[in-house]
Amino acid sequence: DAKTTQPNSMESNEEEPVHLPCNHSTISGTDYIHWYRQLPSQGPEYVIHGLTSNVNNRMASLAIAEDRKSSTLILHRATLRDAAVYYCILGAGSYQLTFGKGTKLSVIP
Amino acid sequence: KAGVTQTPRYLIKTRGQQVTLSCSPISGHRSVSWYQQTPGQGLQFLFEYFSETQRNKGNFPGRFSGRQFSNSRSEMNVSTLELGDSALYLCASSLNPGSVLEQFFGPGTRLTVL
Repeated sequence: DAKTTQPNSMESNEEEPVHLPCNHSTISGTDYIHWYRQLPSQGPEYVIHGLTSNVNNRMASLAIAEDRKSSTLILHRATLRDAAVYYCILGAGSYQLTFGKGTKLSVIP
Repeated sequence: KAGVTQTPRYLIKTRGQQVTLSCSPISGHRSVSWYQQTPGQGLQFLFEYFSETQRNKGNFPGRFSGRQFSNSRSEMNVSTLELGDSALYLCASSLNPGSVLEQFFGPGTRLTVL
């Protein structure tokens, strides 16, 4: 399975943008990049996914490097409710999602 | 539309017992996956079911098994429980199998083995 590397933790001030990086240097051409987040005491929640082009949805934006070896999840204005563990996951073909350790995002009021 | 539901939410068992956990996917979703989450190992894939057939299996011993019914509801069973089986067991559903589709997770069943 292709691996991802994320920082263990990050901090952000409330209402400021947050850029969560993910490195995936061994990504294959068919791997999609998925982001999920897990709030305390809840199951993971889908955030966004993309293949090559940058993607936007109501929750976040996903910026994918031209060589696809890295990506960045962008939360445009962090709120206290965005405090969670964010997982960057590669997936293709099989439906198995392989979760790494993720990045624990703390939002400071 | 109701989300993924899992029952029970909490469970306490003793070593050697067996346990059955239940998952009801979102209406219309036909694929169900199970994951185990522990502080040490993180989220690990157990298995995936689609149309009552197991399509994928993670690296877990045979004590972990599952099944899916014709209405897409799924159960997982753990026999001969060990202390290390204490974990949060998460179920996720999607319309069809395929990693490009988002999975919707339930709240999980917290299993404690004493």
